[in-house]
Amino acid sequence: AQSVTQLDSQVPVFEEAPVELRCNYSSSVSVYLFWYVQYPNQGLQLLLKYLSGSTLVESINGFEAEFNKSQTSFHLRKPSVHISDTAEYFCAVSEPRAGNMLTFGGGTRLMVKP
Amino acid sequence: DAGVIQSPRHEVTEMGQEVTLRCKPISGHDYLFWYRQTMMRGLELLIYFNNNVPIDDSGMPEDRFSAKMPNASFSTLKIQPSEPRDSAVYFCASTLGSGYGNTIYFGEGSWLTVV
Repeated sequence: AQSVTQLDSQVPVFEEAPVELRCNYSSSVSVYLFWYVQYPNQGLQLLLKYLSGSTLVESINGFEAEFNKSQTSFHLRKPSVHISDTAEYFCAVSEPRAGNMLTFGGGTRLMVKP
Repeated sequence: DAGVIQSPRHEVTEMGQEVTLRCKPISGHDYLFWYRQTMMRGLELLIYFNNNVPIDDSGMPEDRFSAKMPNASFSTLKIQPSEPRDSAVYFCASTLGSGYGNTIYFGEGSWLTVV
């Protein structure tokens, strides 16, 4: 069975500082990896995903994540955060044999302070 | 283009009452998921459907919970009788096709409070 661990439940950071949200997964097979973002009182939205190819994937709003197979990690980074990035971020995995079923981590609340 | 639509957005009900949550997936999508989000347990998959057929309901907590998908554009999640521990945000989500890694689109959630 697959599982996802997000080591930090909350990450406070000042505006314009860099941030890294950590995600580790366990699976006995190849997986697809996702980061979803949930803004207050809203549903989840896909931020970025890794399916194959380049291990570094980017989103349109400056976030990036790197797939590291040896460390079974998919950490999310942004070099300079904005107040508007305040949200909860969820890492998720799916296994090919599980179809489209996602397993989510516990989430990391990013709190950007002025 | 309309996304996944859920109703009601907010519901407060008394313990023992029946609760019905509704979902309209994105038109053309053939997978539909029900998730529950709580502070203690995070996001949990309750059940998912493919072409209106329930595929995996192993996440449904107990017999008080039931889900149906009578057609491709409508699904319900019912709790009868409701209990305070059912208080949570319930998300419906949908996606298209069996291509693994497809993006799953979430509704804005139904915020349930059972008092």
